[in-house]
Amino acid sequence: LAKTTQPISMDSYEGQEVNITCSHNNIATNDYITWYQQFPSQGPRFIIQGYKTKVTNEVASLFIPADRKSSTLSLPRVSLSDTAVYYCLVGDNDYKLSFGAGTTVTVRA
Amino acid sequence: DTGVSQDPRHKITKRGQNVTFRCDPISEHNRLYWYRQTLGQGPEFLTYFQNEAQLEKSRLLSDRFSAERPKGSFSTLEIQRTEQGDSAMYLCASSSPSRQETQYFGPGTRLLVL
Repeated sequence: LAKTTQPISMDSYEGQEVNITCSHNNIATNDYITWYQQFPSQGPRFIIQGYKTKVTNEVASLFIPADRKSSTLSLPRVSLSDTAVYYCLVGDNDYKLSFGAGTTVTVRA
Repeated sequence: DTGVSQDPRHKITKRGQNVTFRCDPISEHNRLYWYRQTLGQGPEFLTYFQNEAQLEKSRLLSDRFSAERPKGSFSTLEIQRTEQGDSAMYLCASSSPSRQETQYFGPGTRLLVL
């Protein structure tokens, strides 16, 4: 599985847009990019997945440049309840998810 | 859709004791996964089942660990002769045949070995 690099932590304020960039220089042709969110004492929750260009759902947007060596998760107008750890995963949708340490996003009032 | 459930949510045991955790996946999800998560780290893959067949086990799953999914529904994870290093959150996830790429996680079982 391709290794990913993402910031350890990010701080934001309510109502702001949060962008988390993940680097995956060795991404393979068949790999997808997937983001999960995890609150304390809960299991991770699927947020969004993409292969190229842009994907948007009711929770977030995922931007993937043409070379696919990085991706950016965008959380619009965050609230206090968006405080969580966000994981970037890269893989070919095989069974084995490989999580890194994730990015701890802290939203302040 | 009631989600993935795990039982118990918390378990405290003494070193050397055996513990067993249960996971009930979302109904009709044919794949079931076990992960372990230690403080400050992301979850690490342990093993997974497709229906009742255990198809892969991580090197993290020592001989003291055993997992079963006897009828392709719920699963159990047993740890024999627990060690303090086994203290972690044990997470279960499941996925459906039509969307294998999306795993739905349960709340986890937090194990503390004294």
